Amino acid sequence: AQKVTQAQTEISVVEKEDVTLDCVYETRDTTYYLFWYKQPPSGELVFLIRRNSFDEQNEISGRYSWNFQKSTSSFNFTITASQVVDSAVYFCALYSGAGSYQLTFGKGTKLSVIP
Amino acid sequence: GAGVSQSPSNKVTEKGKDVELRCDPISGHTALYWYRQSLGQGLEFLIYFQGNSAPDKSGLPSDRFSAERTGGSVSTLTIQRTQQEDSAVYLCASSLEGQAGSGQETQYFGPGTRLLVL
Repeated sequence: AQKVTQAQTEISVVEKEDVTLDCVYETRDTTYYLFWYKQPPSGELVFLIRRNSFDEQNEISGRYSWNFQKSTSSFNFTITASQVVDSAVYFCALYSGAGSYQLTFGKGTKLSVIP
Repeated sequence: GAGVSQSPSNKVTEKGKDVELRCDPISGHTALYWYRQSLGQGLEFLIYFQGNSAPDKSGLPSDRFSAERTGGSVSTLTIQRTQQEDSAVYLCASSLEGQAGSGQETQYFGPGTRLLVL
């Protein structure tokens, strides 16, 4: 069985602060893919990043960075110098494709960036 | 190019009525997925279509739910005899293909249909 845990339900930060969103996953598959999606108040899920299980390199994209650690089954997401536009619900998701093509989502973390 | 589109954006219906929700995937995407997002349950997988293969219906919550995909493109999710617990946002996603490892399995989501059953 696959499972994704986002322990932080809600986080509030003041603009320009850094914030890290935690994601812990469980899977028996050796090949799997991890994703982060952003859901702003408008409701549409926006794809942010995809990472496969064989690539543990951290990735940086502008103010966003991701830390993938297989040893702790974690795929954490950091926003540097947060902005009000970052306010959204962020979902971590797992996909193995081994007979199951669905994304398994965490419950999401609601981030509020206060000006 | 155009993203995934869904219609209607909002639907209010009375308990017991049937509803149809439509999804138009990104052009060229062979895989199509339906998910449901509700306050209590988070995001749940409902059904998956890949090309001409038999769909994976393992996530459908009851036999009141059905979906079809015509011509490998547009999909319709039908809920018969709606119940209040069916109230949720129904999200559709598509990907170039569903096979993992191809680099083309990233799912792109539509804006969703907000269903309210009174």
